[in-house]
Amino acid sequence: GAVVSQHPSWVICKSGTSVKIECRSLDFQATTMFWYRQFPKQSLMLMATSNEGSKATYEQGVEKDKFLINHASLTLSTLTVTSAHPEDSSFYICSATGGGSDTQYFGPGTRLTVL
Amino acid sequence: GESVGLHLPTLSVQEGDNSIINCAYSNSASDYFIWYKQESGKGPQFIIDIRSNMDKRQGQRVTVLLNKTVKHLSLQIAATQPGDSAVYFCAEIGGFKTIFGAGTRLFVKA
Repeated sequence: GAVVSQHPSWVICKSGTSVKIECRSLDFQATTMFWYRQFPKQSLMLMATSNEGSKATYEQGVEKDKFLINHASLTLSTLTVTSAHPEDSSFYICSATGGGSDTQYFGPGTRLTVL
Repeated sequence: GESVGLHLPTLSVQEGDNSIINCAYSNSASDYFIWYKQESGKGPQFIIDIRSNMDKRQGQRVTVLLNKTVKHLSLQIAATQPGDSAVYFCAEIGGFKTIFGAGTRLFVKA
C-alpha cells in the first residue's frame, strides 16, 4: 500500500520550454502532496505543499509563476516548470499523505535536464 | 515539510558490522518520527517509524531509538549489507508540520 508514482522519470528539454511532471497516489487518496527538489549529494528542499482543490503554498524563495502546481484531484498533482533554464536541472520528488496519516510516501523522482 | 540543503555527512562501515545513524530533532512538540532510506537516483523509502510514547521500536534488522530528553533519534542497522548503502533521513512530525533532517550517507565496505 501507499504507492506514489511520478511521470516522467527523466526528461531532457531545451531551454525556454515548459515541462510538466505528474505525481499520482496509486492506492490511496492524497489529501496533501508535497514537491521537493534535490541537488546532487544534498538533502531534500521543499518547494511547495498542495491540498486537493486549493492553491499550493510555496516555500520562501520559490517562484510560484515559475513552478506551477495543480492538485486537481485526490490522486494527482502536477508540477509545471515554465520556461525552463539549465539552472532548473534537478531531481524533482513528490510525496503524498492521506487517510488521516502524517506519513509522507515519496514518488521515485523525476530527473530534469535542461540543455 | 522543511529541510535544509546541505552537503551530507557520511558514515562508512564494514559489511557485517552494525551501523548507527543519528539525528537531532528540533521541536519538542514533535510526536511522530520516521526514518527514510534514499538510494541513488530514487525517491526516499519509508523504513520505520516511532511515536513519542515509545523509546524503542524494532523492525527487520533495523531499530529506532528515541530519546525525548535530549531530542535525539537514532537508527540502528544490524549486520549491514552492501544493499544498505544509501542516504538516510529522519523526519519529525508535529503540529501539522514535517521537518526532515539533513541526511547521512551510509557507505558499506565489502
